[in-house]
Amino acid sequence: EAGVVQSPRYKIIEKKQPVAFWCNPISGHNTLYWYLQNLGQGPELLIRYENEEAVDDSQLPKDRFSAERLKGVDSTLKIQPAELGDSAVYLCASSLGTSLGETQYFGPGTRLLVL
Amino acid sequence: KQEVTQIPAALSVPEGENLVLNCSFTDSAIYNLQWFRQDPGKGLTSLLLIQSSQREQTSGRLNASLDKSSGRSTLYIAASQPGDSATYLCAVRRPNQGGKLIFGQGTELSVKP
Repeated sequence: EAGVVQSPRYKIIEKKQPVAFWCNPISGHNTLYWYLQNLGQGPELLIRYENEEAVDDSQLPKDRFSAERLKGVDSTLKIQPAELGDSAVYLCASSLGTSLGETQYFGPGTRLLVL
Repeated sequence: KQEVTQIPAALSVPEGENLVLNCSFTDSAIYNLQWFRQDPGKGLTSLLLIQSSQREQTSGRLNASLDKSSGRSTLYIAASQPGDSATYLCAVRRPNQGGKLIFGQGTELSVKP
């Protein structure tokens, strides 16, 4: 069974440029998460989707970040414009649901470097 | 606000040694606690999940314990191997927050042959 797929794996851009990350969750997983992981830190939740609905986006900096999950499957996370402090790893995870005991499966992440 | 702390930040041990990784959390109102492994340049892999009503979970050479009242969890690795070298993260799940996980900063483990 294929795991969570993310692309690109690496991205280098100049500040003020836009950037987008794509995530394909495990087939049948209704819940999708985007996490931000800074160097030497644990991941922090940016946004959680239940099917196509964003049910928790309280940690998403909405002035420059946006996300969508059309048709409740693939998801895209966008930053426009990017800032130097956005350099980090962006992780996507999915799970069947959010019941107790559900495990989240993580993708390999997109490593972003903003110059 | 729930905070999760892991000590030490890095640990280096010789092969074959038994070791303990520590995780502490400030709010004992949790649903469960998970231990993850992260290899360089890769995502996280779930190792063990302990429900709040449980005291420990075991998988192979790994044993995780949970003391909710004191806000502590430990991950015990027996007979460590070079292949165990990775970053280990603990995460707690709180009530009424869906599947949101709050992570510690991780312990980077290096097992020397």
